[in-house]
Amino acid sequence: AQSVTQPDIHITVSEGASLELRCNYSYGATPYLFWYVQSPGQGLQLLLKYFSGDTLVQGIKGFEAEFKRSQSSFNLRKPSVHWSDAAEYFCAVVRNQAGTALIFGKGTTLSVSS
Amino acid sequence: GAVVSQHPSWVICKSGTSVKIECRSLDFQATTMFWYRQFPKQSLMLMATSNEGSKATYEQGVEKDKFLINHASLTLSTLTVTSAHPEDSSFYICSARPRLISYEQYFGPGTRLTVT
Repeated sequence: AQSVTQPDIHITVSEGASLELRCNYSYGATPYLFWYVQSPGQGLQLLLKYFSGDTLVQGIKGFEAEFKRSQSSFNLRKPSVHWSDAAEYFCAVVRNQAGTALIFGKGTTLSVSS
Repeated sequence: GAVVSQHPSWVICKSGTSVKIECRSLDFQATTMFWYRQFPKQSLMLMATSNEGSKATYEQGVEKDKFLINHASLTLSTLTVTSAHPEDSSFYICSARPRLISYEQYFGPGTRLTVT
């Protein structure tokens, strides 16, 4: 069965430091991958997505992610974290059955220290 | 563009009563809407997929008689939690897939349900 693993439950990063959130997926074919951010009391906002093509994708708010098929990974990165980036981050993959529902990882909580 | 709203954002109901949650796509038509449930500090779990004009498809383990889903138009889907119990307390999130656009969906802000 398809799955998404986010190994880090909670990460704390100093403001201005770089960030990398890990995501691994299990899927035989080329996956359709997403990163979402959820701030307290707010809905999920799409940061970026990968369907095909260039394996380094740029998203909003200065985020980028790199698809590595050999490692079954789609890690999210940001060169310099801002305090407003503190939130819950979810990696997701489109389910391969009929329909376009998403399978989500368990999420990584990002805290930003000053 | 691509805004999805949910109403109410927060609801408290007594055990045994029913509560309806609305999900609307405000500026696009959505042939498919999804309902997810999120427990505190956990991920989103898909409950059901709803297509306009047809019956919803429920995930394994989700009671379709308890969680009634109606997708009567291209902009509105409703989730009714019938005979709610405290264990139904959760954060319910809907998402909508725009017509003719595959693999992208837009999420509503969620509804916090508390059953007392």
